[in-house]
Amino acid sequence: GAVVSQHPSRVICKSGTSVKIECRSLDFQATTMFWYRQFPKKSLMLMATSNEGSKATYEQGVEKDKFLINHASLTLSTLTVTSAHPEDSSFYICSARQPREGREQFFGPGTRLTVL
Amino acid sequence: TQLLEQSPQFLSIQEGENLTVYCNSSSVFSSLQWYRQEPGEGPVLLVTVVTGGEVKKLKRLTFQFGDARKDSSLHITAAQPGDTGLYLCAKSLPGGATNKLIFGTGTLLAVQP
Repeated sequence: GAVVSQHPSRVICKSGTSVKIECRSLDFQATTMFWYRQFPKKSLMLMATSNEGSKATYEQGVEKDKFLINHASLTLSTLTVTSAHPEDSSFYICSARQPREGREQFFGPGTRLTVL
Repeated sequence: TQLLEQSPQFLSIQEGENLTVYCNSSSVFSSLQWYRQEPGEGPVLLVTVVTGGEVKKLKRLTFQFGDARKDSSLHITAAQPGDTGLYLCAKSLPGGATNKLIFGTGTLLAVQP
């Protein structure tokens, strides 16, 4: 299957700082990537859909100014958590979908964010 | 918004036991996927079911899609400690080219040796 990487795998930051998380599709081009958030022992909640070359589509209740998404190339999407607070601490997972309609999503290994 | 309810939420069993996990929705799925996720990793796709009544087998795992395509089950035979993880069902929401995935509430399985 296709490989999706995330960087960093873990990050600890102080409250009020911004953190950038990268999601890369390593062996295919992804016109669409997705960002999820997961709390301990809970399911994945879709935050936003990242479309290459256009603005991201955010799910209801997700602050677009808080979670900035940029999909500048066909293999890279970034999620920036701005002015992070302890309640933003979570496991953030991205996925990438191959270009054809209905194709499987491949998930990254996740990034553990801890805000002190 | 969670559209898929899974049961049970938690399950702790001994090695060798059988178990069934359920995924239910009030609306019809066009297709449904099952994933397994280990701690600190992303989910990994196990199977996709598409046709009502469909049964798929993956070694000791048996997946069934309900006739009405509103529910699915995952049955594990002779569970092993390596089966431990979070099991998630997910359905696609048609959305033009994006095809978003909506995940179920999850079932956390612990298999004790």
